[in-house]
Amino acid sequence: DVVMTQSPLSLPVTLGQPASISCRSSQSLVFSDGITYLNWFQQRPGQSPRRLLYKVSNRDSGVPDRFSGSGSGTDFTLKISRVEAEDVGVYYCMQGTHWPLTFGGGTKVEIK
Amino acid sequence: EVQLLESGGGLVQPGGSLRLSCAASGFTFSSYAMSWVRQAPGKGLEWVSTLSGSGSSTYYADSVKGRFTISRDNSKNTLYLQMNSLRAEDTAVYYCAKCPGSTGYSTFEYWGQGTLVTVSS
Repeated sequence: DVVMTQSPLSLPVTLGQPASISCRSSQSLVFSDGITYLNWFQQRPGQSPRRLLYKVSNRDSGVPDRFSGSGSGTDFTLKISRVEAEDVGVYYCMQGTHWPLTFGGGTKVEIK
Repeated sequence: EVQLLESGGGLVQPGGSLRLSCAASGFTFSSYAMSWVRQAPGKGLEWVSTLSGSGSSTYYADSVKGRFTISRDNSKNTLYLQMNSLRAEDTAVYYCAKCPGSTGYSTFEYWGQGTLVTVSS
């Protein structure tokens, strides 16, 4: 199975400051079609997960442009350019390239 | 608007069975693969199972293979998860999720609100 490792586990951030979450996979996430199926999800307290980004850097409709994704191969990053109060929650990366589909352990973003 | 509404959760004894349902609306149900993802209390997300749009292809996590069965009724726009031989470690909120295509399994575009399954004596 592909192991997805996120860091840090917890990320205290000052409002208006940037935040960055790392996600590393144990194998390359480049599929045979050349596409990298790396997703990011946000789970606010008490809510269901919501997809933010897919194929590394494609933002979902309604996702603020302060969220961005980058990376390739086995090394990926989610960045929030200026953290807002509504960004509090747990963020998960997930690979959709290999069976079984696997998630990172999550990074909890909180306000300092 | 895509809506996914899970039901069927509850308290069940170890070794028991439960069937979850997910009623879908807002899209052409038969054209999309669907999945179940679970989250144990206070823990992260775990993919459980995926079913193609036609229902011909199924995929399971090793942790549930042989005990859980995913199915769908495209005439009722409903996804199911039959869970047998339940264990304490199956205790979780179970989410239904929409995939990006009939045989597109790489992501979960939309999620339901979840239904809680508790396995305990």
